[in-house]
Amino acid sequence: SQTIHQWPATLVQPVGSPLSLECTVEGTSNPNLYWYRQAAGRGLQLLFYSVGIGQISSEVPQNLSASRPQDRQFILSSKKLLLSDSGFYLCAWSHQVGEQYFGPGTRLTVT
Amino acid sequence: AQSVTQPDIHITVSEGASLELRCNYSYGATPYLFWYVQSPGQGLQLLLKYFSGDTLVQGIKGFEAEFKRSQSSFNLRKPSVHWSDAAEYFCAVGPSYNAGNMLTFGGGTRLMVKP
Repeated sequence: SQTIHQWPATLVQPVGSPLSLECTVEGTSNPNLYWYRQAAGRGLQLLFYSVGIGQISSEVPQNLSASRPQDRQFILSSKKLLLSDSGFYLCAWSHQVGEQYFGPGTRLTVT
Repeated sequence: AQSVTQPDIHITVSEGASLELRCNYSYGATPYLFWYVQSPGQGLQLLLKYFSGDTLVQGIKGFEAEFKRSQSSFNLRKPSVHWSDAAEYFCAVGPSYNAGNMLTFGGGTRLMVKP
């Protein structure tokens, strides 16, 4: 069966510091991968998606970036965090068509 | 462009009562439709999905949803709510195929259950 992992689970970072969130998927190959953000009390905002290694599409311009160095690894990064980057970050995967499966999320607080 | 509307931001029901959460979508062809549930501080869990065929679909945890093409709706129902059903519920629509298989999510409905 397939599983999706995210780490860290929680993170507190000062403004201006770098960020690296990692997501890995097990039990499938060549998945589509996604990064979402949820601000407090808000819905889901798609940040990035990837259909293959090194292929990244950005949905929202911002100071975040994403990379996919391996087939089942998806990384969300920032060089300098802003207060507005606080939120709950969710990684998801899917096959080429159909439902998406979500990871447990990372709670990021920028202070 | 496709869109999903969940008209009810908050719903409160008594434990044991029936539940219906509304979802309306806008899409140019037959969509793929999904309902997800999210407990506080956790990821989204798939409750059920509709791709084609029978318009009444059964999901996990006793939930069901009915696809009504004429009303562009995909409402979620449960005959008897349990306190553990308190959570946020998201409806989502996807195209039958696209590069990236992106889904469009509704804004969510927060369900509270009274004892």
